[in-house]
Amino acid sequence: ETGVTQSPTHLIKTRGQQVTLRCSSQSGHNTVSWYQQALGQGPQFIFQYYREEENGRGNFPPRFSGLQFPNYSSELNVNALELDDSALYLCASSFQGAGPDEQYFGPGTRLTVT
Amino acid sequence: RKEVEQDPGPFNVPEGATVAFNCTYSNSASQSFFWYRQDCRKEPKLLMSVYSSGNEDGRFTAQLNRASQYISLLIRDSKLSDSATYLCVVNMGYGNKLVFGAGTILRVKS
Repeated sequence: ETGVTQSPTHLIKTRGQQVTLRCSSQSGHNTVSWYQQALGQGPQFIFQYYREEENGRGNFPPRFSGLQFPNYSSELNVNALELDDSALYLCASSFQGAGPDEQYFGPGTRLTVT
Repeated sequence: RKEVEQDPGPFNVPEGATVAFNCTYSNSASQSFFWYRQDCRKEPKLLMSVYSSGNEDGRFTAQLNRASQYISLLIRDSKLSDSATYLCVVNMGYGNKLVFGAGTILRVKS
C-alpha cells in the first residue's frame, strides 16, 4: 500500500451542489496532485499543491479549487457540479526534490452526479 | 495530436508470452517518464520509472528514445496476474504536470 488515503470512497451528489474530497499524503511527502479519471480514460491532471500553494494547474475551470494544509493533506472542492463531473477523483503524493517526480496514488473517490 | 498516445489494445496473450507496449509523446522538453499499471476500478500503481539508459525490473524492461519521443515496456514470461491496464505517463516539465496516456489493456490467458 502507498499510505495515501482518500475520503469518502463513494459519493452521490445532484447537479448544482458542491463537494469536498479529502486526501492524506504519504509520510515524508510534501506535494499532492489531484486527477480526474473518466471511464475508459487515463487520469487528467487537475492541479498540484506544494507547500500549501497551487503549483501547476490543468485545463479545469475555476469551480475546481483546492487547499493544502500544513501537514500536507489536501482538499479538492468542486462547486456547481455538472453531470460530466462524474468520475474517479485520485490524489497522488510525492516528494519534490532531486530525482524523478514519482507519484503514489490513493484509492480514489468515485463521484456520481445525478 | 494527443500529448501521450498509446495503442489501446486489448492485447490478448497466453501465459508465458512476451508482450511489448509502445507509447509516443509530443513534447520534446518532457523530463521524466513512467509506466503505471491499473487494475479494474483501482488506483494506478507505479510500475517503474523510465531512464534514458533503459532499465529492467525482473520481467519488465522499459526503454526511452528521446530522439523519436518514444517509450516502450516489455513484459517477459507473462503471468495471469499481469492482466491490467498499463498507463504510459510523461512529466511535461511545466507545472509538474503528469500526462497520462489512455492506457493499453493486457489480458493474459491460461
